[in-house]
This record gives sequence, C-alpha cells and structure tokens, in this order.
Amino acid sequence: DIQMTQSPSSLSASVGDRVTITCQASQDIRNYLSWYQHKPGKAPKLLIHDASILEVGVPSRFSGSGSGTDFTFTISALQPEDIATYYCQQYTDLHTFGQGTKLEIK
Amino acid sequence: QVQLQESGPGLVKPSETLSLTCTVSGGSISGYYWSWIRQPPGKGLEWIGDIYDSGYSKYNPSLKSRVTMSVDTSRSQFSLKMTSVTAADTAVYYCARYKWHSGGFDPWGQGTLVTVSA
Repeated sequence: DIQMTQSPSSLSASVGDRVTITCQASQDIRNYLSWYQHKPGKAPKLLIHDASILEVGVPSRFSGSGSGTDFTFTISALQPEDIATYYCQQYTDLHTFGQGTKLEIK
Repeated sequence: QVQLQESGPGLVKPSETLSLTCTVSGGSISGYYWSWIRQPPGKGLEWIGDIYDSGYSKYNPSLKSRVTMSVDTSRSQFSLKMTSVTAADTAVYYCARYKWHSGGFDPWGQGTLVTVSA
C-alpha cells in the first residue's frame, strides 16, 4: 500500500502570506497526485490534478508542484476564504489520502 | 453539470449492514469510475472503493472483506454495502466521480452522516 505523509498537520498564517504544504509518498507515484480543499459541512473540492494542473475555475493563487515522491501545494497570497483543511491524494495504485492540513488565519 | 446525491439510513446498529445509494444526475454514469469516500468525526478522508459502469470494482484493502459496491446504469445509481459495522464505521459518507482520464475525484455528493449505535 502507498502511504501519503502530509505536513504540517495544522498551520496558522496571516492574510496575504505565502502558504506551503508538503506531501510525501512512500514510493514513486510519478505525478499522479491531486489536492483538495475541504470546508466544514461541505463536500471536498478538487483543486489540482496530475500534481500541477489547476482545475477550471480555481484561482491562480493556488499551485502545485513535484513528482516521484515529493510534492508541494502553495497558496501565493492567503485569502480569508481559503480557510479549510487541505488534502493530497495519490491515484497511481488505488487511492490514498494524506492526513490533511488544517489552515487557520492568524 | 453532474450532481451526486447520497441516500440511506442515518443510523445502523452494530454488527448490521450499512447500505447507501448514490444517484447521479445531469450526466451519464457511463465511462467513469464511481467512488465512495468517508470521513470519521474529527479524522481525515478515507477511500472505500471504486466501481466502473461495467461493474468492475476496486476496494480499499483494509475494508475489502466487508465492502461490496454495485451499479445500476438504468437508474444512474451506484451503491455501497458494508457488513458487520462497528462504531468505528461512524462517518460522513461521500459518493464521488473518479476522473480516471485526468485524475482526482470530482464532483462529490454533499455527504451523509451514518452513525453506528445500538
């Protein structure tokens, strides 16, 4: 089974800050990685697939990079509406989610 | 656009079988994998399984012995059955479409809370 290790588990930042979340796979997953935004009481929202491809309609302040085992998700300038929990997910062998990163406003 | 809606009992007794159905509207059920994902209270997301329109399915190895998924293309529905449930199976259960050609789950249903309790 492929394990996904996401860090940090929680993060506090100010509006306008650059925010970075990392996700590490237990084995090579090429670029078969997605990122999701999950707000309480709502369905998770797909933001990025194939490690770096932004879904249609997702603001350009969101970005992703990486391949192999190490991946990064970045919000270039944090907005109040970005407060949520973010998950990575691999799909090279079945599906595995990272543990999640809860993002809060400082 | 495609919309998904979960339905089923919100309360299941321990040792019994959890049964949920997801209805797909606004698009065809053909040509995609359809998935179940859950989130226990205070915890992260856990993938349960996928089913293709042909009935081919894949399951999380940790749940495989208790889970069965099925699809009814005539009704644009797919279903989840999980046997021998315990309190650990209490969670919000989401159905979603897996975009196998590009990766990622999208869209998702709104989710339904299933509580396992006597």
